[in-house]
Amino acid sequence: DVKVTQSSRYLVKRTGEKVFLECVQDMDHENMFWYRQDPGLGLRLIYFSYDVKMKEKGDIPEGYSVSREKKERFSLILESASTNQTSMYLCASSSISYNEQFFGPGTRLTVL
Amino acid sequence: GQNIDQPTEMTATEGAIVQINCTYQTSGFNGLFWYQQHAGEAPTFLSYNVLDGLEEKGRFSSFLSRSKGYSYLLLKELQMKDSASYLCAPEGGGATNKLIFGTGTLLAVQP
Repeated sequence: DVKVTQSSRYLVKRTGEKVFLECVQDMDHENMFWYRQDPGLGLRLIYFSYDVKMKEKGDIPEGYSVSREKKERFSLILESASTNQTSMYLCASSSISYNEQFFGPGTRLTVL
Repeated sequence: GQNIDQPTEMTATEGAIVQINCTYQTSGFNGLFWYQQHAGEAPTFLSYNVLDGLEEKGRFSSFLSRSKGYSYLLLKELQMKDSASYLCAPEGGGATNKLIFGTGTLLAVQP
């Protein structure tokens, strides 16, 4: 069974903390994505990666960075968490030959 | 620019048929995905259309008109478990060919 896993389902952090969200896929997919989802705004792309050590900014990269050191793992980093980064974060992966994205279960992050 | 337009909410009755429309404007286009997302869960794949016309898959069908920038998802014999958000996601084309997600249509199925 194909799988995308995320390190936490729920996370509570303080303003100013550095936050790491981890995503791992077992499908040998080239492409990996980080989205945030907020009511009324839908899924917004933060960053994506189409290969190891490669990254591209999405629509809302400000305040975030990413790391892809291994093909199966894509990390989202909040350098200094702020309350407006409270959201549901979804990771996804896809192959280069077919664009269906497989999503992880999501991490609901609350920044106090 | 890129724009996806879907109704925000819809309500339908168990056993009925409902059609969820999506219009899109993208700088490039290869095909269009529909995803289902239950509250608090991740989106899951429903359908993919590349060519014009209707693709049928059990109770769910999806239609695409490339020239009109239009798609719809048709749900038949509605069940309570179909209450969810339905996301329209065209492939934006270009070198990276990312999916562009609409805000989704929240469907409530009533008894």
